[in-house]
Amino acid sequence: SQKIEQNSEALNIQEGKTATLTCNYTNYSPAYLQWYRQDPGRGPVFLLLIRENEKEKRKERLKVTFDTTLKQSLFHITASQPADSATYLCALGLNSGYSTLTFGKGTMLLVSP
Amino acid sequence: KAGVTQTPRYLIKTRGQQVTLSCSPISGHRSVSWYQQTPGQGLQFLFEYFSETQRNKGNFPGRFSGRQFSNSRSEMNVSTLELGDSALYLCASTVNRESYTFGSGTRLTVV
Repeated sequence: SQKIEQNSEALNIQEGKTATLTCNYTNYSPAYLQWYRQDPGRGPVFLLLIRENEKEKRKERLKVTFDTTLKQSLFHITASQPADSATYLCALGLNSGYSTLTFGKGTMLLVSP
Repeated sequence: KAGVTQTPRYLIKTRGQQVTLSCSPISGHRSVSWYQQTPGQGLQFLFEYFSETQRNKGNFPGRFSGRQFSNSRSEMNVSTLELGDSALYLCASTVNRESYTFGSGTRLTVV
């Protein structure tokens, strides 16, 4: 069956360190993968999109990698700040014309000062 | 520009009742998707509308329905509410599927 797995345990790191979050999937052939940030009681906010033919994408302190052989995406936040504390969701999109996003359950990141 | 607006923000209903939730997408976005979010299941896709037509449907019972109007505003309806329908209902709009803009959601509590 199709699965998208993100660490269910919260990731605790210190301010200034690099946070690395993992998204693994099985029985999918995604055309692209998106990462979202969600704060408590709010809707997810789009961060980055990476396509199947791209290995890496960067945006300011964020970096996403996409390995279709390992069926894995890594999401990095460098020089993390307490304001980065949130839940981060990965979402897969297929290549069919009418496909929708399928989300992982998310990983909570806690950055302490 | 204005974001995705969902109303109401909070709702408390009794089992067996029905509820209607509303979503106004970003101007120019013709695709509207609905998701249910619960702590145990995460974000689960309900349905997607594009130009007033349902384009995709998730694996939810027929008690869950929706529609889209000519101005792209969308509503979803849940009939015969069950306790398990308590969740955060999120609406998202997109113009090209490369990014989705979500509303803040409607928190539905069924008692």
